[in-house]
Amino acid sequence: EIVMTQSPATLSVSPGERVTLSCRASQSLHTNLAWFQQKPGQAPRLLISGASTRATDIPARFSGSGSGTEFTLSISSLQSEDFAVYYCQQYKNWPRTFGRGTKLELK
Amino acid sequence: EVHLEQSGPEVIQPGESLKISCKASGYNFETYWIAWVRQMPEKGLECMAMIYPLDSDVKYNPSFQGNVTISVDKSTTTAFLQWSSLKASDSAMYYCVRGSVGPSPFFDYWGQGTLVTVSS
Repeated sequence: EIVMTQSPATLSVSPGERVTLSCRASQSLHTNLAWFQQKPGQAPRLLISGASTRATDIPARFSGSGSGTEFTLSISSLQSEDFAVYYCQQYKNWPRTFGRGTKLELK
Repeated sequence: EVHLEQSGPEVIQPGESLKISCKASGYNFETYWIAWVRQMPEKGLECMAMIYPLDSDVKYNPSFQGNVTISVDKSTTTAFLQWSSLKASDSAMYYCVRGSVGPSPFFDYWGQGTLVTVSS
């Protein structure tokens, strides 16, 4: 099973800041990496697939990069609605596995 | 528009059986993988099982194999997850998710979740 490690677990940020979240895989994924956003009481929502391709209706302030085992999700200018938990997930192998998440909280 | 509508919350006693459902609409149900993902309270996400409705090809996460059964009814475009004997540790939110097209599908659409509470 591929282990996904996200860092940091929690990030305290202010609106308008640029943030970068990290995700590491225990083996190469090529670019088979997705990012999800989950707000309290809601289902996760797909943000990024293929490590860098934004899903439908995802704002351009969200961007993904990386390949192999190291990936990042960046939010260029944090909006109030972006405070949430972000998960990375590999889809190279079965079972699909997720990181433990990074929570963005208001500083 | 793709939509996954899950069945409502359940409160079940330990040892009872349960089958939860996920009604899919807005796409060709038979040719997209559909999976179930567990989220325990304040915990992360775990992919339990995945099924390809066209031929009922099934993949189980070894951590869940033997404890749950995934199935579909193509006539009603509905996926199911069932347990024969629930434990308190099965209490969680369960999401159905659609797999994208391609040889290695990712999860592009999610249901709203079904909360299962196992308690005496």
